[in-house]
Amino acid sequence: QKEVEQNSGPLSVPEGAIASLNCTYSDRGSQSFFWYRQYSGKSPELIMFIYSNGDKEDGRFTAQLNKASQYVSLLIRDSQPSDSATYLCAVCGGGFKTIFGAGTRLFVKA
Amino acid sequence: NAGVTQTPKFQVLKTGQSMTLQCAQDMNHNSMYWYRQDPGMGLRLIYYSASEGTTDKGEVPNGYNVSRLNKREFSLRLESAAPSQTSVYFCASSRDIYEQYFGPGTRLTVT
Repeated sequence: QKEVEQNSGPLSVPEGAIASLNCTYSDRGSQSFFWYRQYSGKSPELIMFIYSNGDKEDGRFTAQLNKASQYVSLLIRDSQPSDSATYLCAVCGGGFKTIFGAGTRLFVKA
Repeated sequence: NAGVTQTPKFQVLKTGQSMTLQCAQDMNHNSMYWYRQDPGMGLRLIYYSASEGTTDKGEVPNGYNVSRLNKREFSLRLESAAPSQTSVYFCASSRDIYEQYFGPGTRLTVT
């Protein structure tokens, strides 16, 4: 059974701080890694994807991938109250089946 | 450009009733997916269609059937609804195996 594990949270950070969200996966053959944001009652929205080991930055977001440790993370710099949402880690093994984690709830305090 | 649309938004069924959830995308994507999302369990893949004319089972296909009507439309059918199928259903589409774009969801309750 391929698994994607996330801490359910809630992770609470003050406004302006760095939020660090983590994810581990079990399938060593995984090739594509995604972070989705989901506001309460809404659908998931893609915010970052990463395919290679290392860091990938996009604005206030940085995705980090370490395939040897089977670990992917998302850093949110200068966190804003509008970043309060559930963040879903998703992992794809190269086919069309993407496995989603259960998500981490983030709360940014103003 | 509406992206991915789903109908209906809400539905209540009695046990044993059948229904079809509709999904359409206008992004010219080849691949389409149906997921269900239950509290604390994340998104689970029910069925997917890699391209027009093909469908394959995902993680939780039992109790469901799908039809890829054309490149734009992918429907999900519950033949005999059960309370265990109470969930939020999301349709998604993607260009090949890359990032997926989700519809607004259908909230289904089976009593």
